Amino acid sequence: DIQMTQSPSSVSASVGDRVTISCRATQDISSSLAWYQEKPGNAPKLLIYAASSLHSGVPSRFSGGGSGTNFTLTISSLLPEDFATYFCQQANTFPYTFGQGTKLELK
Amino acid sequence: QVQLVQSGAEVKKPGASVQVSCKASGYTFIHYYLHWVRQVTGQGFEWIGWINPITGATIYAQKFQGRVTMTRDTSINTAFMDLSSLRSDDTAVYYCARDYAFGRRKNYFDTWGRGTLVIVSS
Repeated sequence: DIQMTQSPSSVSASVGDRVTISCRATQDISSSLAWYQEKPGNAPKLLIYAASSLHSGVPSRFSGGGSGTNFTLTISSLLPEDFATYFCQQANTFPYTFGQGTKLELK
Repeated sequence: QVQLVQSGAEVKKPGASVQVSCKASGYTFIHYYLHWVRQVTGQGFEWIGWINPITGATIYAQKFQGRVTMTRDTSINTAFMDLSSLRSDDTAVYYCARDYAFGRRKNYFDTWGRGTLVIVSS
């Protein structure tokens, strides 16, 4: 199975900061990567698919990049509602696997 | 709006089986694959498998093969996941999630249910 490793596992930031989260795959997954946001008590939300495509309705302060084995999620200017857990998922190779999550906390 | 409504929490004994349901609304049920994913508390998500709602075809992760069965009832726009021979390490929140691609499968999940907690304990 392809292992997905996110870094950091947690990050503290302030409103207005720019934050970048990384996700690394143990094999080449081309651009078949998604990013999700998870908040307690809520269903996960798809943010980015195909590594860099913004899902409908997702604010443009979210962006994704990368291909192959290295990927990033960037939030350009944090808003209070962005403090949540973010996780990546590879969609290229069965079984589809997830990163362990990055918790974005308010500094 | 697009919604997936899951059945309520379950408490099961080791060796038992559980069925989780996922009722879709706000879209044409047969047009989108459905996936099942679980999350053990404090751990990452784990993909279990998918079902093609038109044909009923399924694919399961090897880890769950022999223990999981996914079905659907198109008359009530509902998918089901049955997991048998439950163990304590099956204690998790189980989610259904819609594939984002119309009429095909891309393995990105654009709509998730709220999750169903399954506790396996003697």
